[in-house]
Amino acid sequence: GDSVTQMEGPVTLSEEAFLTINCTYTATGYPSLFWYVQYPGEGLQLLLKATKADDKGSNKGFEATYRKETTSFHLEKGSVQVSDSAVYFCALSGAGAGSYQLTFGKGTKLSVIP
Amino acid sequence: NAGVTQTPKFQVLKTGQSMTLQCAQDMNHEYMSWYRQDPGMGLRLIHYSVGAGITDQGEVPNGYNVSRSTTEDFPLRLLSAAPSQTSVYFCASRPQGGTGAFFGQGTRLTVV
Repeated sequence: GDSVTQMEGPVTLSEEAFLTINCTYTATGYPSLFWYVQYPGEGLQLLLKATKADDKGSNKGFEATYRKETTSFHLEKGSVQVSDSAVYFCALSGAGAGSYQLTFGKGTKLSVIP
Repeated sequence: NAGVTQTPKFQVLKTGQSMTLQCAQDMNHEYMSWYRQDPGMGLRLIHYSVGAGITDQGEVPNGYNVSRSTTEDFPLRLLSAAPSQTSVYFCASRPQGGTGAFFGQGTRLTVV
């Protein structure tokens, strides 16, 4: 079945540091890929997505590129802020019509210190 | 635009009690689902529905029931609460296509 593996946390960075959170997946065909963010005490919010190979999703300074050859969707940001402290989840949705279900990684907690 | 609304936000139950977690969405999404979130486990799918009158089990369905009488509502019922059901529960809805899911704010449930 489908699965998502993301780097274990927690990750602690200083403000303005470069962020990478690794995510790899196992799925048949061409799934859609997502990054979600969860701020403390809140639900998950969609951060960015990519629906086909070589697509780059971007939002709020975060980027991730859909790499079919390495089955990866790593999240990057060039300069993190304290407000980026949150838990980040990589997820995929299977290919094909009617594929509604999302499969999530276990999440990576990011803490950014001033 | 309310999106996905979950109630209650917090609940404490005694072992053996039953209760219903409410979830409503106003986006006319076909797909709705319930997840539980536990430390180190990520989100695990409990039940889901692809439309009114249609429900199915996810990864961890035992101890939970769902129904989908309308497009908008997808309640989750705990039949006889157990301490192992202490968790944060999230409801989500999703339209057709590649768009991601929309999540509610969560219900933090403690079973003592």
